[in-house]
Amino acid sequence: EVQLVESGGGLVQPGRSLKLSCVASGFTFSNYGMNWIRQAPGKGLEWVAYISSGSSYIYYAETVKGRFTISRDNAKNTLYLQMTSLRSEDTALYYCARHWKYTTDWWGQGVMVTVSS
Amino acid sequence: DVVLTQTPPTLSATIGQSVSISCRSSQSLLHSNGNTYLHWLLQRPGQSPQLLIYSVSRLESGVPNRFSGSGSGTDFTLKISGVEAEDLGVYYCVQGTHAPPLTFGSGTKLEIK
Repeated sequence: EVQLVESGGGLVQPGRSLKLSCVASGFTFSNYGMNWIRQAPGKGLEWVAYISSGSSYIYYAETVKGRFTISRDNAKNTLYLQMTSLRSEDTALYYCARHWKYTTDWWGQGVMVTVSS
Repeated sequence: DVVLTQTPPTLSATIGQSVSISCRSSQSLLHSNGNTYLHWLLQRPGQSPQLLIYSVSRLESGVPNRFSGSGSGTDFTLKISGVEAEDLGVYYCVQGTHAPPLTFGSGTKLEIK
């Protein structure tokens, strides 16, 4: 069974950094593009970043471009999101999600990031 | 970026009732390859979103056939034929035709009366 398990969230002050991880299992991780998608408390879904299976293609939402970096280690079946210069508006539940047929078919349980002083 | 407008924002239904959710796009979702990448997700309370329908009308594996999708161009509909208690949650449409970015509708909350 496909499993995606995020970690690395927490409470962080504005302007600081945090790195999220997502460990994948149950499928051949290196064959799939991956996304980070976030959901602010009580709000809808916002796509954050995408990385292709071999890391050749990387895209970011305008709201995080220049501050966040998506990466992956296919040998470790792990997806990352390095977040810098964090703002209060980055407070959200962050999901990793497998990319499939121009959408997402499997999501992790999410990891909470709270940016507050 | 493509804007997806979902209506209604909330929906209240009794068990067995049939309901529909609309998703309208700010531009056509017909891809140059001839496919239309409009999909539907369900987020049950306290859970992660799950894929219900992909490419307008294709049911994801394991999804009950009371769910169906239709539409083309800019207008799309999700129909639940005979709501069951487990169907409560927030439904999102999402487009991949003009990704990046993937863009999501604002969601429709289905409540059970």
